[in-house]
Amino acid sequence: AQTVTQSQPEMSVQEAETVTLSCTYDTSESDYYLFWYKQPPSRQMILVIRQEAYKQQNATENRFSVNFQKAAKSFSLKISDSQLGDAAMYFCAYKVTGGGNKLTFGTGTQLKVEL
Amino acid sequence: GAVVSQHPSRVICKSGTSVKIECRSLDFQATTMFWYRQFPKQSLMLMATSNEGSKATYEQGVEKDKFLINHASLTLSTLTVTSAHPEDSSFYICSARDGGKGWTEAFFGQGTRLTVV
Repeated sequence: AQTVTQSQPEMSVQEAETVTLSCTYDTSESDYYLFWYKQPPSRQMILVIRQEAYKQQNATENRFSVNFQKAAKSFSLKISDSQLGDAAMYFCAYKVTGGGNKLTFGTGTQLKVEL
Repeated sequence: GAVVSQHPSRVICKSGTSVKIECRSLDFQATTMFWYRQFPKQSLMLMATSNEGSKATYEQGVEKDKFLINHASLTLSTLTVTSAHPEDSSFYICSARDGGKGWTEAFFGQGTRLTVV
């Protein structure tokens, strides 16, 4: 069974600084997707970034980028120039390719952004 | 991005009654929808996969007779919590996949906070 682990229950970052959220996963599959979702206080889940396992290049979306290490089964999220609006719960998620859209989520990291 | 609307956003019901939660894809057709449950400060746990025109597939440990799922059209799935009890109080979230897209992004509803008193 696939598992997703986020070892940081909480993280804090100063506004305009950079923070990295960690995620590791366990799978026997070779073809899959990895995602980072943001859940603000409104509880609406928002896709931040995705990575296809077959791509070696790390995904980037504006201030958000990932460090995908397939051999190590690691998928960290880097947020640059942190903003107050980045404060939220962040979930790492995994989906096997072809497996419908069944997502396996990590336990989440609560990110606080301080002035 | 595509919009998934979930209704109601909050509901309070008495113990022993049933409550229905709706999940609609507003601007795309969703052959598959997913229902999650989230306890406070915890992760999303998949309850079931809802397939249009067929029976839902439930995750291990989820009671089929308690959490009834109906996916009667390509834009609507419903979750009915039957004979609700206080332990059913939770945050329920649906998601839907836009089958027309080349890769599989899941769009989420706003969630429903259920409180059973």
